[in-house]
Amino acid sequence: DAKTTQPNSMESNEEEPVHLPCNHSTISGTDYIHWYRQLPSQGPEYVIHGLTSNVNNRMASLAIAEDRKSSTLILHRATLRDAAVYYCILRDVRVEYGNKLVFGAGTILRVKS
Amino acid sequence: NAGVTQTPKFRILKIGQSMTLQCTQDMNHNYMYWYRQDPGMGLKLIYYSVGAGITDKGEVPNGYNVSRSTTEDFPLRLELAAPSQTSVYFCASSWVPGTSISYEQYFGPGTRLTVT
Repeated sequence: DAKTTQPNSMESNEEEPVHLPCNHSTISGTDYIHWYRQLPSQGPEYVIHGLTSNVNNRMASLAIAEDRKSSTLILHRATLRDAAVYYCILRDVRVEYGNKLVFGAGTILRVKS
Repeated sequence: NAGVTQTPKFRILKIGQSMTLQCTQDMNHNYMYWYRQDPGMGLKLIYYSVGAGITDKGEVPNGYNVSRSTTEDFPLRLELAAPSQTSVYFCASSWVPGTSISYEQYFGPGTRLTVT
């Protein structure tokens, strides 16, 4: 499985934008870039995903580099409820891979009021 | 929809005991997964299933067994519990509509297991 590299932790002020980076230099053509987050004492939850183009949804934006070797999750206005571990994951879309996710250690996001 | 439910929420086992962690989803999802999460670490896949009657190993299957007799249920069996199996266990499911792949896995709230 392709691997991702994320900073161990980041800190943000409330109401400010947050840019969470992810490197995935060995990404293949069948890999989608997914972001999940895990709030304290909860299971992970889906945030956003993309293949080549930048993506927006109600939770966040995903900016993907042109060569796809890196991506950035953007939270436009961080709130205290966004404090969580954020995981950047490459998911192989081929059916034989069973839609599996391989989690790394993720980035711990701390939000200061 | 209740989504993915897991029971029990907490359990303490003695070394050598056995137990079954229950997982049920009411979203008619084809795919189901079991993960474990050790303190400060990311999740690791134990087993997964792409449909009733079909299961396959993940990264860390040793010491566990699974079965999938229905679409809804995917129990995880621990035989001869060991302290190394102390962890938080998450069940997840995802939907594969037709031949295309759904992008999102839905996770349950987890079962916190301690083996002493």
